[in-house]
Amino acid sequence: RKEVEQDPGPFNVPEGATVAFNCTYSNSASQSFFWYRQDCRKEPKLLMSVYSSGNEDGRFTAQLNRASQYISLLIRDSKLSDSATYLCVVNMRGFQKLVFGTGTRLLVSP
Amino acid sequence: EPEVTQTPSHQVTQMGQEVILRCVPISNHLYFYWYRQILGQKVEFLVSFYNNEISEKSEIFDDQFSVERPDGSNFTLKIRSTKLEDSAMYFCASRGSYNSPLHFGNGTRLTVT
Repeated sequence: RKEVEQDPGPFNVPEGATVAFNCTYSNSASQSFFWYRQDCRKEPKLLMSVYSSGNEDGRFTAQLNRASQYISLLIRDSKLSDSATYLCVVNMRGFQKLVFGTGTRLLVSP
Repeated sequence: EPEVTQTPSHQVTQMGQEVILRCVPISNHLYFYWYRQILGQKVEFLVSFYNNEISEKSEIFDDQFSVERPDGSNFTLKIRSTKLEDSAMYFCASRGSYNSPLHFGNGTRLTVT
């Protein structure tokens, strides 16, 4: 089983739609979780950290489910500028490396 | 806002040549990383560096690779004898504490011909 798994997509949604991505991780000792956004041929940029109680930043909501070992990202009222690849990133306790998922591609159309 | 800077943005080299990729992490950060991304593929961990030594490395980071922090500000990745399959985008990243997120540089696109 891969350390971090994501549906590669693409998810094609119209402007204004709500879209959700999930990411599963294999190691139950994982302790830090992040969502990054990556535009084509650019560096990953932090979108948000994911906290145990769930957290929201504007149109973006992140949730963590430790029992089922997944994190999710919900985007409300999608904008054209949200089109990008969304990367799930996990840090396991006792390790310094952060492991990236393959990313989920989102395409928002007018 | 402080940022991670990488140079050069693009490096073209011939197979078998040595390359050095340079990075200046955010000044008060303690943990430094190199990742690579082959075109169309996932971001892959290469190495982490803490307290002036390698703390973790992946299987990709073989004897052809080395890292250095020569002067307290720069963080370099050296590939001794490049192969065609080393062609990728190389990202440097840093973070301030153990559980904090990574901050990435703009990357160096390495093309090996």
